[in-house]
Amino acid sequence: DAGVIQSPRHEVTEMGQEVTLRCKPISGHDYLFWYRQTMMRGLELLIYFNNNVPIDDSGMPEDRFSAKMPNASFSTLKIQPSEPRDSAVYFCASSASVLGANYGYTFGSGTRLTVV
Amino acid sequence: QKEVEQDPGPLSVPEGAIVSLNCTYSNSAFQYFMWYRQYSRKGPELLMYTYSSGNKEDGRFTAQVDKSSKYISLFIRDSQPSDSATYLCAMSPPLTTSGSARQLTFGSGTQLTVLP
Repeated sequence: DAGVIQSPRHEVTEMGQEVTLRCKPISGHDYLFWYRQTMMRGLELLIYFNNNVPIDDSGMPEDRFSAKMPNASFSTLKIQPSEPRDSAVYFCASSASVLGANYGYTFGSGTRLTVV
Repeated sequence: QKEVEQDPGPLSVPEGAIVSLNCTYSNSAFQYFMWYRQYSRKGPELLMYTYSSGNKEDGRFTAQVDKSSKYISLFIRDSQPSDSATYLCAMSPPLTTSGSARQLTFGSGTQLTVLP
């Protein structure tokens, strides 16, 4: 298995532009998570999906952020318009549900976003 | 107060030293405890997984959970320069159904450097 695949690895964009981050979870995993990591705030959960349905988006910072999961093998996180304070590393992670247990997540390599 | 507290370090030790990394938590419902290792510019990877209290050993790594004190530890014996990374603890409450939330609560991470 290739693991969780994220693209692009790096993104540099100008303030005000639209940014789209992409994620392909591990096949068979029914949970997908989007995290943001910064030095100041650590790992922050933005949103997560179960069976392609958004379950909790309370971590999405503003209406400028949106996420979709049109099918079990693809998800996007969009920022429109982007701002310099959105600069961070964005991680996608996936996991498989096991009744009554939690065996953790598998993370992708992340997208390093810089908004100038 | 954060639900999970972790000393950010940085921690610097000589090669061969025993390293102790720790987290404290406030939610007594937590049952699943994990340690993730994150190398620079990479995603976190699951290192150790423990359910409820007790110890778990895997090679040079030992994870301990003391639920009465709400305290978990990761010990690294004979530390190597390749162990230099950020270590994040993570935990979650028990899950009663396969569709229930499996959100992990992460510590802020401890940056470890093992000097050759």
